[in-house]
Amino acid sequence: EIVLTQSPGTLSLSPGERVTLSCGASQSINTTDLAWYQQKSGQAPRLLIYGASSRVSGIPDRFIGSGSGTDFTLTISRLEPEDFAVYYCQHYGRSPPITFGQGTRLEIK
Amino acid sequence: EVQLVESGGGLVKPGGSLRLSCATSGFTFSNAWMSWVRQAPGKGLEWVGRIKNKIDGGTTDYDAPVKDRFIISRDDSKDTLYLQMNSLKTEDTATYYCTMDQAFYNVLTASLSSAFDFWGRGTTVTVS
Repeated sequence: EIVLTQSPGTLSLSPGERVTLSCGASQSINTTDLAWYQQKSGQAPRLLIYGASSRVSGIPDRFIGSGSGTDFTLTISRLEPEDFAVYYCQHYGRSPPITFGQGTRLEIK
Repeated sequence: EVQLVESGGGLVKPGGSLRLSCATSGFTFSNAWMSWVRQAPGKGLEWVGRIKNKIDGGTTDYDAPVKDRFIISRDDSKDTLYLQMNSLKTEDTATYYCTMDQAFYNVLTASLSSAFDFWGRGTTVTVS
């Protein structure tokens, strides 16, 4: 089982700032198998990034996924008010289980 | 428009059973791999299990905490996914989401990725 560790747990930032969220895998994984989700309070998660760096249609280009091996990041180049939410990384490989990181909460400073 | 609508949640005593349903529309359900994901109150996301389409064998996979207690099934004639939960424990208390497993093909790298592209709004299960 791939364990994903996200850091930090919570970030307090202001709109307009740039932020980078980290996701570390317990062993090297294929970039094709890493996804990022955004979850706002009271809502279902929304897929942002698949294959480590490919944005889902309709996701703004301020969301940038990158990384390889065991280290992956999600960068939001300029925070908008609607970006304050919880972000999860996910490993979806060829074999189960599918796993999620514990999440990083972005809150408004 | 893809829609996933879960139902069947509620309050159940430890050791009890509950069956969740996920009614779908807007896509060819019989072709889809479907998963259940849960989220305990104030906690993160946890994959519960999935069922493949019949072309790929219709087989199921489960996460360890629910294996041998939960059963995922599908009725392609009704475009509906099910989660039968037995021997429920207090730690099964969560919002349960139905998701569609989407495969994405990257033409540039000739590679395939999978992720949960569509989610229902969830149904709440309380074991107490």
